[in-house]
Amino acid sequence: SQKIEQNSEALNIQEGKTATLTCNYTNYSPAYLQWYRQDPGRGPVFLLLIRENEKEKRKERLKVTFDTTLKQSLFHITASQPADSATYLCARISGGSYIPTFGRGTSLIVHP
Amino acid sequence: DTAVSQTPKYLVTQMGNDKSIKCEQNLGHDTMYWYKQDSKKFLKIMFSYNNKELIINETVPNRFSPKSPDKAHLNLHINSLELGDSAVYFCASSQTGTTDTQYFGPGTRLTVL
Repeated sequence: SQKIEQNSEALNIQEGKTATLTCNYTNYSPAYLQWYRQDPGRGPVFLLLIRENEKEKRKERLKVTFDTTLKQSLFHITASQPADSATYLCARISGGSYIPTFGRGTSLIVHP
Repeated sequence: DTAVSQTPKYLVTQMGNDKSIKCEQNLGHDTMYWYKQDSKKFLKIMFSYNNKELIINETVPNRFSPKSPDKAHLNLHINSLELGDSAVYFCASSQTGTTDTQYFGPGTRLTVL
């Protein structure tokens, strides 16, 4: 089965630093990976997508990378702010299926 | 201008009861989903419904049944509720032929006593 693994431990960083979250997948590479943000008591919100043939994608302070050799995606938030504190979910979409498989998510806490 | 809405937000009920959660999307998407998020925050797909094609996660008990009166609605019916059904249920929608970005509703917290 296709799995998505994210570090279940919370990531604590100081405001202004770069936060880096990891998403590892098993078996064959997904067609693309998606990253979502989830705040307490709310539904996940889509942030970024990266395709299998892309190395890197950026959106404002966010950057996502896709390494098919390591079977890994990294999600970076530069110049982090306390408002970035949330749980970040990674999801894989495999070719031929439109149904995402989500990781458990990693909680990010940015301290002022 | 809510994109995906769910009702109710909170649902508290007794074991053995039957309940429904409603979901509506105004995005014009052709696919809708139900997810279950347990106490460990793991988001698991339960159903997806696309142009009258229902795909069921085989691990979902048949006490759960989705019903779609039209493309904009996908309701979730749960029969004979059990303690283990307590969780947050999210409805989502997406448009096929795109990148399958999921648009989630606010969630329904179900508590079975």
